[in-house]
Amino acid sequence: ELQLVQSGGGVVQPGGSLRLSCAVSGFTFGDYAMHWVRQAPGKGLEWVSLITGDGSSTFYADSVKGRFTISRDNSKNSLYLQMKSLRTEDTAFYYCAKASGWTADHWGPGTLVTVSS
Amino acid sequence: EIVLTQSPGTLSLSPGERATLSCRASQTVGNNYLAWYQQKPGQAPRLVIDDASRRASGVPDRFSGSGSGTDFTLTISRLEPEDFAVYYCQQCATPPLTFGGGTKVEVK
Repeated sequence: ELQLVQSGGGVVQPGGSLRLSCAVSGFTFGDYAMHWVRQAPGKGLEWVSLITGDGSSTFYADSVKGRFTISRDNSKNSLYLQMKSLRTEDTAFYYCAKASGWTADHWGPGTLVTVSS
Repeated sequence: EIVLTQSPGTLSLSPGERATLSCRASQTVGNNYLAWYQQKPGQAPRLVIDDASRRASGVPDRFSGSGSGTDFTLTISRLEPEDFAVYYCQQCATPPLTFGGGTKVEVK
């Protein structure tokens, strides 16, 4: 069974850093690109970042470029999102998702990141 | 950046009725790589339609997708109680892989 288990959310002050993790099982992790998508409370979905299966290419939304870094460790079946210089507008549920092509076909449960002083 | 505009913002219908949701792109979506997702309160999104018209695994055949280029449609032929949710389109062709603002399908 395909599973995505997320961790790393929490409360952080503006300007702070946080790292999100997504541990996967049930598929050959290195064969698939992976997404991070976020959703501010009560708002719509916002695509954040994508990394290819071998990790050689990464893409970012303009709103996080230069502050967030997506990475993966295929030996650990894990995806990461390092977030720096966090702003109050980064407060959201963050979802990791497996990609088929570049479509997000399986989603994690989400983890809440709250940026507040 | 490709901007996706979904309409209407809210669709008020009764069970058994037909729902037609629109997603319009600001420029051509390459290879019609347009996906539709369903999201219910407190849940992660779920893929419904891939590549504009291909139903995802386990999705009932009352869901269908159509369109090409810049204009796409999600149709639910006869609404079941479990179909009332928010639906998002996403273009999966050109980074940044943008989402539309969503259409809420609510019980009339």
